[in-house]
Amino acid sequence: QKEVEQNSGPLSVPEGAIASLNCTYSDRGSQSFFWYRQYSGKSPELIMSIYSNGDKEDGRFTAQLNKASQYVSLLIRDSQPSDSATYLCAVNDDTDKLIFGTGTRLQVFP
Amino acid sequence: DADVTQTPRNRITKTGKRIMLECSQTKGHDRMYWYRQDPGLGLRLIYYSFDVKDINKGEISDGYSVSRQAQAKFSLSLESAIPNQTALYFCATSDTRTGGYEQYFGPGTRLTVT
Repeated sequence: QKEVEQNSGPLSVPEGAIASLNCTYSDRGSQSFFWYRQYSGKSPELIMSIYSNGDKEDGRFTAQLNKASQYVSLLIRDSQPSDSATYLCAVNDDTDKLIFGTGTRLQVFP
Repeated sequence: DADVTQTPRNRITKTGKRIMLECSQTKGHDRMYWYRQDPGLGLRLIYYSFDVKDINKGEISDGYSVSRQAQAKFSLSLESAIPNQTALYFCATSDTRTGGYEQYFGPGTRLTVT
C-alpha cells in the first residue's frame, strides 16, 4: 500500500513567522510532488509542484524535495491569517494517479 | 467562468434513492477523477477516466458507477444511496499533454443521505 504521511496538526504559528509543513512518502518511484491548499468546505487548490531534488520558490512559498529521504516539505514565509487552511501533500503513483496525504491544518494567529 | 464545474453543489436525499452528480470541464483535459472526502480520511478516489473509453475503479468504487459522456463530462451515480455515502464529493481533471500529474478540482458537491 503506497502511502503519503502528514502530521494532522494543527500547526499554530504567529503572524509573520515561517510555517513548515512536512510530508513523507513510501514509493521510491514517485517523480512528481504537489502541495494543495484547502480552506474549510472548499476544494483543494494547487499551490506548488516540484519534480527535482532541492528547493523551488514561488513568492512566499518554498517547496523542498529530498528523494533519498522520501521527504517533501512546504515553507510559508511571513505567514498571514489568510494562510490558515489545511495543506495536502500529493505524490504520483506508478499508474499516473495522485496519492494524497490526509493534510496538515495550519493556524496563523495575529 | 470556472474551468471545472459540478452540479448540484448541495444535495439532500433519502436512503435508497438514485442520484447523479455531474462534472463538466472547459480545460480540454483528457483525464477526469471522482473523489470523496470525509473528515479525518482525506481524499479517496472513487473512479477515474483517462479518456472517453477508459474507465477505472478507484479504491472505494462499491456503491458507485460513472459515465464519461464526452471528454468534457464525467458523471457519478449512486444507484441506491445510503447514509454512509454522506460526504463532500470532488471532481478533478488532469492533462497528459503537460507531462505532469497535477490535478485541478471542481468546487465540490456536499451530499447528505438521510
